Amino acid sequence: GAVVSQHPSRVICKSGTSVKIECRSLDFQATTMFWYRQFPKQSLMLMATSNEGSKATYEQGVEKDKFLINHASLTLSTLTVTSAHPEDSSFYICSAHALQGYNEQFFGPGTRLTVL
Amino acid sequence: AQSVTQLDSHVSVSEGTPVLLRCNYSSSYSPSLFWYVQHPNKGLQLLLKYTSAATLVKGINGFEAEFKKSETSFHLTKPSAHMSDAAEYFCVVSSTSGTYKYIFGTGTRLKVLA
Repeated sequence: GAVVSQHPSRVICKSGTSVKIECRSLDFQATTMFWYRQFPKQSLMLMATSNEGSKATYEQGVEKDKFLINHASLTLSTLTVTSAHPEDSSFYICSAHALQGYNEQFFGPGTRLTVL
Repeated sequence: AQSVTQLDSHVSVSEGTPVLLRCNYSSSYSPSLFWYVQHPNKGLQLLLKYTSAATLVKGINGFEAEFKKSETSFHLTKPSAHMSDAAEYFCVVSSTSGTYKYIFGTGTRLKVLA
């Protein structure tokens, strides 16, 4: 149990376009989902916390108008990178915290974004 | 506030020898602690977790970690390294109340020599 999926796994886009990444909890309900960014050979950096039905909470230094987060249901959160630029190229990872039970985040497999 | 320090950015061991990856934490609350492994271009895999039960935690693939409150440590060990253990390892602390945010260590890259 506790499986989280991300789609797409890889995306290449042109500079100036927008890209949407989906994060789904497949077999549990997630009140809270988290979005991370990971640069090569570095640790994960928390970008924002997404709560179902409310606005996301962004970490300091993360542009909320650049990285739009929507958490419309207890099983789906989306991250949209708007007007992407090459410096947005990175590995984006989501995680989900279960509604009941665990004090644990379950991680998706990540999405590799390359902006040309 | 919570924080976690991974004391070594790189560790090299020979295949068949013990592995020790060090992690120290700081937490105002009773912490939950985790170790994750990440292979190149892959997502995170949970190795083990401590959530205030037994202080010696056994995980997958022969890994274990001991929670030592007096030393604020949660070091990861394995008796005998395998080539497939070569990867990046992250120590994580999470508060048991509030937002359930994770605080990641900077990671330790484990290299296993043949």
